[in-house]
Amino acid sequence: KNEVEQSPQNLTAQEGEFITINCSYSVGISALHWLQQHPGGGIVSLFMLSSGKKKHGRLIATINIQEKHSSLHITASHPRDSAVYICAVKETRNYQLIWGAGTKLIIKP
Amino acid sequence: SAVISQKPSRDICQRGTSLTIQCQVDSQVTMMFWYRQQPGQSLTLIATANQGSEATYESGFVIDKFPISRPNLTFSTLTVSNMSPEDSSIYLCSVNGGEHYGYTFGSGTRLTVV
Repeated sequence: KNEVEQSPQNLTAQEGEFITINCSYSVGISALHWLQQHPGGGIVSLFMLSSGKKKHGRLIATINIQEKHSSLHITASHPRDSAVYICAVKETRNYQLIWGAGTKLIIKP
Repeated sequence: SAVISQKPSRDICQRGTSLTIQCQVDSQVTMMFWYRQQPGQSLTLIATANQGSEATYESGFVIDKFPISRPNLTFSTLTVSNMSPEDSSIYLCSVNGGEHYGYTFGSGTRLTVV
């Protein structure tokens, strides 16, 4: 079993739909990251969470430390949101990140 | 947060040759991380580069194949040596911006070995 699991693996939706991507982890963490990777390969950090909820524009990220679960939501989705969304956790006792497999999101116009 | 300039953005190389990837950070950072992302896969950490000491390589990666330089706190290079088609991947560098900023990534180098 992977230490960080994301679901769904692939998601296709229509423009305007509310999107939810989930991340579950099994290790003790000091922080959880949500990142976005566009087809060109570059990665952008969206959120770093250690508790609660953060919002940036149409993106919302939540984390439940007790349940070891985080969600990334996109409101009013747009084709430019099409990308791979990756969850990564920083383990408490390690400086490295443990990576989820990513969720490939396609938003159709 | 830190800004990283990574180059080249992409390259097509002949097998048996070597390619050096550069990452320049706009601020001083202690640790820089080099990742590989094979097609359809998640990121795999190759090594951690500290200034003034040998890089620390992860299991499955060796210095002869992926030599790393870290001459100062703002710059690092990763060389992919004696390339084969299996080395075709995206290579990314990253730094940890600390408690507030999290990790910053370079724009990636898409390498194709033919």
